[in-house]
Amino acid sequence: DSGVTQTPKHLITATGQRVTLRCSPRSGDLSVYWYQQSLDQGLQFLIQYYNGEERAKGNILERFSAQQFPDLHSELNLSSLELGDSALYFCASRRGLGTDTQYFGPGTRLTVL
Amino acid sequence: GIQVEQSPPDLILQEGANSTLRCNFSDSVNNLQWFHQNPWGQLINLFYIPSGTKQNGRLSATTVATERYSLLYISSSQTTDSGVYFCAVGVTGANSKLTFGKGITLSVRP
Repeated sequence: DSGVTQTPKHLITATGQRVTLRCSPRSGDLSVYWYQQSLDQGLQFLIQYYNGEERAKGNILERFSAQQFPDLHSELNLSSLELGDSALYFCASRRGLGTDTQYFGPGTRLTVL
Repeated sequence: GIQVEQSPPDLILQEGANSTLRCNFSDSVNNLQWFHQNPWGQLINLFYIPSGTKQNGRLSATTVATERYSLLYISSSQTTDSGVYFCAVGVTGANSKLTFGKGITLSVRP
């Protein structure tokens, strides 16, 4: 158990819908990262937050957004869903911004029908 | 951006055999992690190893940062070692993301 929790574990929805994925980092970790794992793109970085502020963006679509709340949990919002958004979404956390381990949550498997 | 190449892409072993998985990266990094993705999709941290050598039971890893590669050794493999092994690298800075390789699919047969 990494100490990072993600809910829900599975999500099945239809095209055009909007969903919210939730992540709680390890106790004391200020940085939260979101990654997407799909069959065609592999594992890729989406976005990073540090202590409530956005720090970096990767290959995140404009239809996707995220935020980190004062209690440090984070939510990833996916809207106008398309079939190609079906993927495993991981949240990871680390203590700060330095060179230390990122710990990954169990992931949310999103299926768009 | 940084390119990460893992080899071989697939590996089939008989239980009890040893193996070496390789990760090459295209630029200097100060973060390197090895993960095992199990059949349920979970990413399990194996090593944080930006340089040097570490061992954990039957697994060990070595990173030669100056030559931009890392090796993961699995000894006396077990069927539970099956899954996908990822190498991921990063650079401290404004964007400290991890860049992942495509993974190595390991199948250990009884």
